[in-house]
Amino acid sequence: GEDVEQSLFLSVREGDSSVINCTYTDSSSTYLYWYKQEPGAGLQLLTYIFSNMDMKQDQRLTVLLNKKDKHLSLRIADTQTGDSAIYFCAEEHSNTGKLIFGQGTTLQVKP
Amino acid sequence: DAGVTQSPTHLIKTRGQQVTLRCSPKSGHDTVSWYQQALGQGPQFIFQYYEEEERQRGNFPDRFSGHQFPNYSSELNVNALLLGDSALYLCASSLRVGRAEAFFGQGTRLTVV
Repeated sequence: GEDVEQSLFLSVREGDSSVINCTYTDSSSTYLYWYKQEPGAGLQLLTYIFSNMDMKQDQRLTVLLNKKDKHLSLRIADTQTGDSAIYFCAEEHSNTGKLIFGQGTTLQVKP
Repeated sequence: DAGVTQSPTHLIKTRGQQVTLRCSPKSGHDTVSWYQQALGQGPQFIFQYYEEEERQRGNFPDRFSGHQFPNYSSELNVNALLLGDSALYLCASSLRVGRAEAFFGQGTRLTVV
């Protein structure tokens, strides 16, 4: 079936690292994505990883992919108050371009 | 590059009415997908258009229909609106061939009363 699971809430202190986790079910997914959504706004593409990679780093963002366990994580280094938002994990369904989203993780950054 | 643009930004309709939402894809993109995001949920795939045809469809009733024009822009139509259709409707554009990186617009907030 199609299912992407995320924890609902994460709270961190400014300057700490944040780790948001996600599990997915489609082993044929080609790409896995992380999107950020601020209140009242659309989705901002943060980063993505191709399914044959284990890790991708992009400035403060690090994506880790464990394909065996179908587990994806997003690490944000030196988290800032501006990082407070909802983060969505998404898998691309079987090379169709159709994205299956998790329910989102609300990241709260305390000063 | 204006990115993905959607109109209108907000809309209020009465139950039973019909609505049309519009999307212009990012420059160079040829594929448009529509998603429905209910409050507190992740986006749900409605359908995808490429070469002016519906290519993929999610689990949505026939009341949801769409169209893609030769300039790649797209419309989402919803007939016989229900209260449960109230949501943020998101348009995503991508390239069909090659990478499936999708960029989203700001969405249209539809409220059905």
